[in-house]
Amino acid sequence: LAKTTQPISMDSYEGQEVNITCSHNNIATNDYITWYQQFPSQGPRFIIQGYKTKVTNEVASLFIPADRKSSTLSLPRVSLSDTAVYYCLVGYHGSSNTGKLIFGQGTTLQVKP
Amino acid sequence: DAGVTQSPTHLIKTRGQQVTLRCSPKSGHDTVSWYQQALGQGPQFIFQYYEEEERQRGNFPDRFSGHQFPNYSSELNVNALLLGDSALYLCASSFQGANNQPQHFGDGTRLSIL
Repeated sequence: LAKTTQPISMDSYEGQEVNITCSHNNIATNDYITWYQQFPSQGPRFIIQGYKTKVTNEVASLFIPADRKSSTLSLPRVSLSDTAVYYCLVGYHGSSNTGKLIFGQGTTLQVKP
Repeated sequence: DAGVTQSPTHLIKTRGQQVTLRCSPKSGHDTVSWYQQALGQGPQFIFQYYEEEERQRGNFPDRFSGHQFPNYSSELNVNALLLGDSALYLCASSFQGANNQPQHFGDGTRLSIL
């Protein structure tokens, strides 16, 4: 699975839009990009997944440029409750390979009042 | 619809002891993966079970073993506990037949070794 690089930490204020960028230069053709959120003493929670261009759901947007060597998770109008660690993962989670997720250290987002 | 449930939530053991952690997958899921998460680190893949067999394994010693039951629930066993085994142990479930469906995680078991 492709290695990812993301900032160790970020600070923001309530109401702001937060963009977290992840680099994945060795992404393979079949790989998808998945983001998880984790609060202290809880398991990771799926946020969003995409393959190319833009994906949006009720909590976030994921922007993927044409070369797919990076991706940006966008959280609109963050609140204090968005303070968490965010993980970017790259890989093919097909039926033949649904097990081994490789997590990096993630990005610790601190939202301030 | 219950998500992934793990038990116990917390556990304290001493070095050399053995421990068993339990996981019930999300309804409709047939595959269970286990992860170890040390403080301040991302989760590390231990192994995955499907059809009651270990299908993939990460870089963990044989002291770590598991089992999957016919109802898809799973156990993680760790023998000869070391201080370094102190961590949050996470269980994740998925459906083998679904491509690119995200894994669902439980909230883990916090294991402390004294």
